[in-house]
Amino acid sequence: TAGITQAPTSQILAAGRSMTLRCTQDMRHNAMYWYRQDLGLGLRLIHYSNTAGTTGKGEVPDGYSVSRANTDDFPLTLASAVPSQTSVYFCASSLDTSGSYNEQFFGPGTRLTVL
Amino acid sequence: GQNIDQPTEMTATEGAIVQINCTYQTSGFNGLFWYQQHAGEAPTFLSYNVLDGLEEKGRFSSFLSRSKGYSYLLLKELQMKDSASYLCAVLDSNYQLIWGAGTKLIIKP
Repeated sequence: TAGITQAPTSQILAAGRSMTLRCTQDMRHNAMYWYRQDLGLGLRLIHYSNTAGTTGKGEVPDGYSVSRANTDDFPLTLASAVPSQTSVYFCASSLDTSGSYNEQFFGPGTRLTVL
Repeated sequence: GQNIDQPTEMTATEGAIVQINCTYQTSGFNGLFWYQQHAGEAPTFLSYNVLDGLEEKGRFSSFLSRSKGYSYLLLKELQMKDSASYLCAVLDSNYQLIWGAGTKLIIKP
């Protein structure tokens, strides 16, 4: 079982360019999440989706957009990248959102550098 | 605002016991999670507490006191592979996980 995969593994992007980070899970989890992790800071939620067809804004949504057309895929798009979006991006999924069902499984991460 | 506090870094000796503390102030409480994250890797689940008390799972135990807004992760018989960051996260009233910045644990031989 693959679990949860992300692509690409790493990317260098010129400022002003757009990019989509891909995330796919095969666990039939209802909820999916996008986080960024910066040195010295905790994981910060960018966007989330509690179920296919719905999305919500997290703590730091500006400059990012998501879609959830089906259960398995949850792409994150940067419309016009800026250097402050340099970070490690983690996609995660959980069976559901309440209690222990919120145990989140993480993808391997995408290391993005915006120059 | 919501806040999770953990020590930034701790050092311990192989074979010893270490306790990593986490205090929290959140809007509501629906459980507390501990995750382990090795350098350059993704976080992985360690434990979940929703009721007060101690949950033991092998060499790792997690404790919760909801009235004090306090949890700790206890690691026994430390091994070099336990060198990692340990992340505390609280599920708030909106079922959003609020994450601490993590505690980097360094194990010395």
